[in-house]
Amino acid sequence: EAAVTQSPRNKVAVTGGKVTLSCNQTNNHNNMYWYRQDTGHGLRLIHYSYGAGSTEKGDIPDGYKASRPSQENFSLILELATPSQTSVYFCASGDGTGPETLYFGSGTRLTVL
Amino acid sequence: GDSVTQTEGLVTLTEGLPVMLNCTYQTIYSNPFLFWYVQHLNESPRLLLKSFTDNKRTEHQGFHATLHKSSSSFHLQKSSAQLSDSALYYCALSLSGSFNKLTFGAGTRLAVCP
Repeated sequence: EAAVTQSPRNKVAVTGGKVTLSCNQTNNHNNMYWYRQDTGHGLRLIHYSYGAGSTEKGDIPDGYKASRPSQENFSLILELATPSQTSVYFCASGDGTGPETLYFGSGTRLTVL
Repeated sequence: GDSVTQTEGLVTLTEGLPVMLNCTYQTIYSNPFLFWYVQHLNESPRLLLKSFTDNKRTEHQGFHATLHKSSSSFHLQKSSAQLSDSALYYCALSLSGSFNKLTFGAGTRLAVCP
């Protein structure tokens, strides 16, 4: 079974603070993604990666950075957190076989006060 | 740009009745890939079914959908709703040659009542 784990599960941050969300996958998938989930908007792609060392901008990258130091790990970084970034964040890995299936982690609920 | 529209935010059904969740999409590309993901309460989204073949019915776990390129639609159906079908359903679009980036609809919450 595909395994994508995220940490932390819940995070409360202050406006202007730095937040790092972590994701680890044991699927040996090349592709990894960060989405945020908001009611009325569905899932929106923030950043993605094709492999270690690569990061690409998704549809809503502003205010976010990403880091892929290894095949297994993909982090999402909010350098200066704002209340508008309060959301549920999902990491996913992709098996690379078109059309690709995504395997999602359990999500991180972030609240920025 | 590319987009996916799910017109119903909430669908409430009585157990045993048929399910139909609407999904239409917009893209200039002629070979889209369409997906349905399902997310049960306090769980993460998981793939329900996917298709890229025009007018071919795809089935999984009692649900089915047919991609109709002529109407840009990929509606999700089930003949008889079960209580366990209550969940959030996302329709998503990916483009030929760009398999990795999914565009999701806003989601439809299905609530099945006894």
